[in-house]
Parts: sequence; structure tokens; C-alpha cells
Amino acid sequence: GAGVSQSPSNKVTEKGKDVELRCDPISGHTALYWYRQSLGQGLEFLIYFQGNSAPDKSGLPSDRFSAERTGGSVSTLTIQRTQQEDSAVYLCASTFRIMTAAYQETQYFGPGTRLLVL
Amino acid sequence: ELKVEQNPLFLSMQEGKNYTIYCNYSTTSDRLYWYRQDPGKSLESLFVLLSNGAVKQEGRLMASLDTKARLSTLHITAAVHDLSATYFCAVEGDDKIIFGKGTRLHILP
Repeated sequence: GAGVSQSPSNKVTEKGKDVELRCDPISGHTALYWYRQSLGQGLEFLIYFQGNSAPDKSGLPSDRFSAERTGGSVSTLTIQRTQQEDSAVYLCASTFRIMTAAYQETQYFGPGTRLLVL
Repeated sequence: ELKVEQNPLFLSMQEGKNYTIYCNYSTTSDRLYWYRQDPGKSLESLFVLLSNGAVKQEGRLMASLDTKARLSTLHITAAVHDLSATYFCAVEGDDKIIFGKGTRLHILP
């Protein structure tokens, strides 16, 4: 299929371990978004990339979180020294976005990665 | 600081009725989004609204935006059971997207 894919679909890890979550956007999409959804915090925006650049990283919950996007395509979200409060569903979305235009782009979401930190 | 308030949070309604979900936000924004989420599923993008007075319709759902009032509405016409889901609005500004808490919509047959 040509949709957004995320891997792994589920991840169980022990507190203190590092995890890496991957997002493959739709081919040709310029913008990529990371969100997380948890019972306690609802839906949270984490970071977005336009191309390989992230204009603002302040949405990342702590300095244990980092994200990168290479080649304008695949993105990885890395959580170091995981804590139990990191348990959530991590969602990725992509869209074709033209920054200079008032373009009503639609975001296409992946199925999410369910992260459980024990 | 950008804040988004969505109401109601829960809505139970009969099939065939009309209702409106409201989304208020606190500062000027670049875009306003409406999403649908079914239980255990990811998000589905419904509408993206950019300009004041924008109105978009898809089937029984219609979204509108009043940037002066900082208000968007999602109107449901003649509800059917298939529209049961959680609906989120989200507002984009300063390179961030802030979500409302969601409206859990349950449509009774």
C-alpha cells in the first residue's frame, strides 16, 4: 500500500532502555508530524519536519526525546532512558505541504506504535 | 500560549438528529483541523480550515471557521450510527499543533 507506515506496531520495553520508532511517510510528502496519545495527556503534538528540518523542537516532552528525518523521507523518534510515563501510542502523519501557499493539505496518519514501558 | 477548548466532551444523540461540536482557541492560528478517531484506531483527517468564513462539507459533516471569534464548529446533520467516534479539533500556530480534548460522540439507533 501507499499509506504511512510505522514500525514497530507494538513495543514493550523496560524502564531505562532506549527505543527507536520509525515512520515511513507517503512518497513525495514534504511534511512529517509526530504525535503521541496517552490516557493521561490526550493527544500531544511532538514535532514536525518540513523536509529534513524541524522548525521547533520545543514540543518534545524532555531532552530524552529526539527525532530526525533523513533524505526528506523516513523519520525516527528516539526515546532514551525510557520512563513509565512514556507509555503511549506514538502516531506519525505526513502531508504534501507548500510553505508559501495557503494550501489546505490533508494529513495522512500511520497506524501508530504502541509503546509500553514496564 | 495557544489553548484549545472543545465541547461538549461527550455527546449521546439519536439517529436523525442534528448537533454541533464547538472548538474555541485562544490566539491567532494558521490552520484548524478536525479529525475523527474510531476506538483502537489511528486518526483520520476530516477537514483543514485556513481562512475566516471557510466552510467545508463532507457527507453529513460540515465544518466552519470564524477566525475573529476564534471558533470552529463541526455540524452533524441527520446523524447515523456510523458517525459514532471521537472527534478532535486541533489548531496550528507557531509551528505547533494543539489539540482539544476530543468529543466522544455516541449515536443511538
